[in-house]
Amino acid sequence: NAGVMQNPRHLVRRRGQEARLRCSPMKGHSHVYWYRQLPEEGLKFMVYLQKENIIDESGMPKERFSAEFPKEGPSILRIQQVVRGDSAAYFCASSLEGVRGSGQPQHFGDGTRLSIL
Amino acid sequence: RKEVEQDPGPFNVPEGATVAFNCTYSNSASQSFFWYRQDCRKEPKLLMSVYSSGNEDGRFTAQLNRASQYISLLIRDSKLSDSATYLCVVNSLANQAGTALIFGKGTTLSVSS
Repeated sequence: NAGVMQNPRHLVRRRGQEARLRCSPMKGHSHVYWYRQLPEEGLKFMVYLQKENIIDESGMPKERFSAEFPKEGPSILRIQQVVRGDSAAYFCASSLEGVRGSGQPQHFGDGTRLSIL
Repeated sequence: RKEVEQDPGPFNVPEGATVAFNCTYSNSASQSFFWYRQDCRKEPKLLMSVYSSGNEDGRFTAQLNRASQYISLLIRDSKLSDSATYLCVVNSLANQAGTALIFGKGTTLSVSS
């Protein structure tokens, strides 16, 4: 499967635990984006990364959330001390180039459904 | 004003019908426009990019009016398999990278036999 790979598909955590969501972009894509979709809501941008760099984290909550895209391995979205309000679908997308001016679309993974008990 | 607004729907149409979705965006400097499709609890899938001159892909036609900041999607000869939520998507120029996509909440289409 050459598409965007996310795991796990479903993740259950208790309040106060940590959640780690993984994303491997499409082959050849070096731009990764994370989005969150709350129930009955549209997708909201969280963060944009290139290898080893955070380019835009304007959509990330200021506390408890972090993201990385190391030189080797998948991108990781990390949520510390999870709360009920973190329950959502988290989608990762990748693109060949940055969106600005190029019209390059983003291709999405299947998402991780995070449930907080 | 929301950054991307869409008809809330739902649109319930019979097979074979023609249906049109509308979308407006607030940032006049936006440069890239897309329609995505999202099936229930699945990932968004790119349906088509939207170009200034308008573009067509089979039964689907997209139009962009930059002056009015308006985007449309027309689906002709609706199929049962077209039932989904259609997302209007615009790129954000909130920062230098201009890379974030702004999604509308989506318009739900239900095609019945």
